[in-house]
Amino acid sequence: DGGITQSPKYLFRKEGQNVTLSCEQNLNHDAMYWYRQDPGQGLRLIYYSQIVNDFQKGDIAEGYSVSREKKESFPLTVTSAQKNPTAFYLCASSPRGSPLDEQFFGPGTRLTVL
Amino acid sequence: AQSVTQPDIHITVSEGASLELRCNYSYGATPYLFWYVQSPGQGLQLLLKYFSGDTLVQGIKGFEAEFKRSQSSFNLRKPSVHWSDAAEYFCAVGAVGKTSYDKVIFGPGTSLSVIP
Repeated sequence: DGGITQSPKYLFRKEGQNVTLSCEQNLNHDAMYWYRQDPGQGLRLIYYSQIVNDFQKGDIAEGYSVSREKKESFPLTVTSAQKNPTAFYLCASSPRGSPLDEQFFGPGTRLTVL
Repeated sequence: AQSVTQPDIHITVSEGASLELRCNYSYGATPYLFWYVQSPGQGLQLLLKYFSGDTLVQGIKGFEAEFKRSQSSFNLRKPSVHWSDAAEYFCAVGAVGKTSYDKVIFGPGTSLSVIP
């Protein structure tokens, strides 16, 4: 089945540690996105990538980094510079380079900083 | 810049009753409008989308939404709710980027509970 996979489902991190969240898609979609979800705030865009080897900062990119070396993969690193990283992280993709297309979402990774 | 509000944080309806979830947006031109649904602990799924044409949009799972330009609204409706509709519902507004990338802004969400 085609879709988006995110791993791990739950992730615990100590303060001061970097951690990388995985996102893989087999939909052959051009664009991929990372969102952060906090209770009562909806989704906020962290980074997005329209094509391989290119990505743009979203609204809350500080303390995060990404790479897009392969079309199907878009990992997100949460660095120690992110002041409040505990959240639910969602990866998404869309067929062409725009979020105005339908976005397809993965099941999410819940990150908790201890 | 576009923005979106969902006035109701939480709604409870009885199974079989009708449902209307409210969404108001702010944008100067005709926006792209979306409704997404999120089941607990899961990602989001698109219910329906509007950009142009008929202002009454049909979506999946028996949902529909009506675009009302005069009220800047895009309310989601379902005539008869099923227990499986219990979820978080997000309205989103999108716009073509003039000087930067296309952007979609999500509302804060409305949590729907269904009682038997």
